[in-house]
Amino acid sequence: NAGVTQTPKFQVLKTGQSMTLQCAQDMNHEYMSWYRQDPGMGLRLIHYSVGAGITDQGEVPNGYNVSRSTTEDFPLRLLSAAPSQTSVYFCASTPGQGYNEQFFGPGTRLTVL
Amino acid sequence: AQKVTQAQTEISVVEKEDVTLDCVYETRDTTYYLFWYKQPPSGELVFLIRRNSFDEQNEISGRYSWNFQKSTSSFNFTITASQVVDSAVYFCALISISGGYNKLIFGAGTRLAVHP
Repeated sequence: NAGVTQTPKFQVLKTGQSMTLQCAQDMNHEYMSWYRQDPGMGLRLIHYSVGAGITDQGEVPNGYNVSRSTTEDFPLRLLSAAPSQTSVYFCASTPGQGYNEQFFGPGTRLTVL
Repeated sequence: AQKVTQAQTEISVVEKEDVTLDCVYETRDTTYYLFWYKQPPSGELVFLIRRNSFDEQNEISGRYSWNFQKSTSSFNFTITASQVVDSAVYFCALISISGGYNKLIFGAGTRLAVHP
């Protein structure tokens, strides 16, 4: 199993550009989530999904969209990138609900100029 | 409101010293789960332990041990005889029923540096 994969590893955007961060898992996990990690703030939940077709907002959802058309994939879309979205983004998955161990992807480092 | 506080931003120790990382949490729920994750310099997040609110037994895994005390809302992590490979950022996290068990709340993390 590849586990949780994320692409790209690094990305530089200009303010106002849009892009999609990809996340995929091959463990048939129902629950998937996106976090952002900023210095001194730990990880903060952006959006999560409890199954295909079901998504909900986390702590910091503004400026981001998600969809879950399959169990395997959970892309995160930045609609109009802003410098405040410069961060490291982690995708995670877990079987069942979020209170189980979450398996994290390797992260995407995004810089918005 | 739910909150996790890791008051120690950075800790520096010399190899073979014991070190304790503090974690204090806040929740009104009686059913919740606590976690510790390790983030080594390579950047990935590694799961260390999960503890539910009804299990206050301390846990030991090799050089790692965890002390869960509901009376003080703390879930502290001790590394015995630290090694350079323990150098990492360590995160404590909380998830509870009021968040539908879907919103994992992380502390800000403690950066541990173990020097030879």
